[in-house]
Amino acid sequence: DIHMTQSPSSLSASVGDRVTITCRASQSISTYLNWYQRKPGKAPKLLIYATSSLQSGVPSRFTGSGSGTDFTLTISSLQPEDFATYYCQQSYSNPYSFGQGTKLEIK
Amino acid sequence: QLQLQESGPGLVKPSETLSLTCTVSGGSISSTSSYWGWIRQPPGKGLEWIGSIYYGGNTYYNPSLKSRVTISIDTSRNQFSLKLSSVTAADTTIYYCARQTSSNLNWFDPWGQGTLVTVSS
Repeated sequence: DIHMTQSPSSLSASVGDRVTITCRASQSISTYLNWYQRKPGKAPKLLIYATSSLQSGVPSRFTGSGSGTDFTLTISSLQPEDFATYYCQQSYSNPYSFGQGTKLEIK
Repeated sequence: QLQLQESGPGLVKPSETLSLTCTVSGGSISSTSSYWGWIRQPPGKGLEWIGSIYYGGNTYYNPSLKSRVTISIDTSRNQFSLKLSSVTAADTTIYYCARQTSSNLNWFDPWGQGTLVTVSS
């Protein structure tokens, strides 16, 4: 099984900050990496698929990059609605696995 | 706009079978571009993919849960269902249903809001 590790587990930042979340796979997954946002009581939302493709309707301040085992999600200028928990997911092989999450909090 | 909604008992007794249904609205569950999946969040861990089903009935499961999981689909009702047998307290968590792209990219979107299932006597 492929294990996904996110860092940091939590992050405090201010509106307007640029933040980067890292996701590392235990083996190469090419670019089969997706990012999700989850807010309490709400459905998780797909932000980016295939490492760097922005899902329709997602603001362009979200960008993804990487390949192989190391990936990043960057939010260029944090907005109040961006404070949430973010998860990466590998879709390279069964079983599809997720990172443990990064909780982004307001400083 | 495609929407998914989970339903089912919020409380299940240990050793019994957890049963949940996901109702799809705003689109057809028979879409050839979709699989339909179940995902949960074990306590203190990241999200865990449980398994997925295609409208024709093809299924595939997470090997760690495969012996206890059955996913089925009812195209006439635009619903798919999850059964998890022999539950324990470790199965207490939020369960989500989601549409999974049938392309090899295998991302999940949209998701339901999730339903909390507690395993307790």
